[in-house]
Amino acid sequence: AQTVTQSQPEMSVQEAETVTLSCTYDTSESDYYLFWYKQPPSRQMILVIRQEAYKQQNATENRFSVNFQKAAKSFSLKISDSQLGDAAMYFCAYRSSSGNQFYFGTGTSLTVIP
Amino acid sequence: GAGVSQTPSNKVTEKGKYVELRCDPISGHTALYWYRQSLGQGPEFLIYFQGTGAADDSGLPNDRFFAVRPEGSVSTLKIQRTERGDSAVYLCASSRQATPDTQYFGPGTRLTVL
Repeated sequence: AQTVTQSQPEMSVQEAETVTLSCTYDTSESDYYLFWYKQPPSRQMILVIRQEAYKQQNATENRFSVNFQKAAKSFSLKISDSQLGDAAMYFCAYRSSSGNQFYFGTGTSLTVIP
Repeated sequence: GAGVSQTPSNKVTEKGKYVELRCDPISGHTALYWYRQSLGQGPEFLIYFQGTGAADDSGLPNDRFFAVRPEGSVSTLKIQRTERGDSAVYLCASSRQATPDTQYFGPGTRLTVL
């Protein structure tokens, strides 16, 4: 099974500053999808951003962008101009293009300091 | 439109009891997934439905766990002879097609087995 590793259990950032959350994964496949999900205390997982492995261009969604390094199997999330509402658990996830399962990391708890 | 809903929001039961957890997917979504999220962990895949059939149940931990989706919409996760180790948040997600679409998650059911 694929493994997803988030090596930062906790991170903090000053409001309006930039923070980067790390994620690495292990796979032998060449085609797959990567995701970042946000989970606030309400428990509902919210999709932040997704990346198709065959695309070289890094995905961006407003203040959120990724640094996808396929050879290094790295998929970090950058949050710019951090806002108080960004505080949550962030999970990195992997999905094979041929499979149905998502594999999640253990999460990073992000605190935004006013 | 309405998102994925799950009931109950919280369930407390005693060891050995039987419980049912319900998931209402987004209307028109043919694929439905169940995950289990233990404290401090990311979601762990349990089972995937495409329509009415369980296309992949490889994540179910043992035969005490069973899930149905008789009409291809609402799904029920059933746990027999609950154990304290079953305590977790059970998340449901749905998607418009099996692959490679993105999953939309419900708020989860927190199950506590005393």
